[in-house]
Amino acid sequence: AQSVAQPEDQVNVAEGNPLTVKCTYSVSGNPYLFWYVQYPNRGLQFLLKYITGDNLVKGSYGFEAEFNKSQTSFHLKKPSALVSDSALYFCAVSFYTGANNLFFGTGTRLTVIP
Amino acid sequence: EAGVAQSPRYKIIEKRQSVAFWCNPISGHATLYWYQQILGQGPKLLIQFQNNGVVDDSQLPKDRFSAERLKGVDSTLKIQPAKLEDSAVYLCASSSWDFRAIEQFFGPGTRLTVL
Repeated sequence: AQSVAQPEDQVNVAEGNPLTVKCTYSVSGNPYLFWYVQYPNRGLQFLLKYITGDNLVKGSYGFEAEFNKSQTSFHLKKPSALVSDSALYFCAVSFYTGANNLFFGTGTRLTVIP
Repeated sequence: EAGVAQSPRYKIIEKRQSVAFWCNPISGHATLYWYQQILGQGPKLLIQFQNNGVVDDSQLPKDRFSAERLKGVDSTLKIQPAKLEDSAVYLCASSSWDFRAIEQFFGPGTRLTVL
């Protein structure tokens, strides 16, 4: 069965410091991996994806993520956090097998402290 | 490019009443999804359409939930009768079928409160 784990419910980081939001997955086959961000009272916004190719993917707002197949991880990173990055972040996995169902993690709330 | 539109944004009903949500996807997106997001959890897929056909509805509680996408564009999700545990945000998303652009784009959601 497919599953996605975000081991940290809450991550706090000082403004200007690097940030990491962790994600691990357990799936069979070759997954597609995604990060989404959710601001209060708004829908999810797509940040980046890994489909194939280079393990380091760059996305919106300066975020990047590294696909690590041996560790089954897809951690989200940013070199320098902004207060405006404070939001709820979701990791998700899907398979391009007809049904493109996204399986989401439980989310990590990121707070950037000024 | 206009995003995914949903209405209403908020709805409060009493248990056993019925409710309907509407979604208009991004123009040209053949695939449409409805998700349920309960507070404190990640979204969970309810149903996926490809044009006007159902691809996956395995997680849809079919005794009370129904959805349609008659003309392959906009879609409605209905709950009848509603239960207290249906209180959640209902998210609509759409995507291209091209695997190179497979990311889903989400609407703002409808927050349903069942009293």
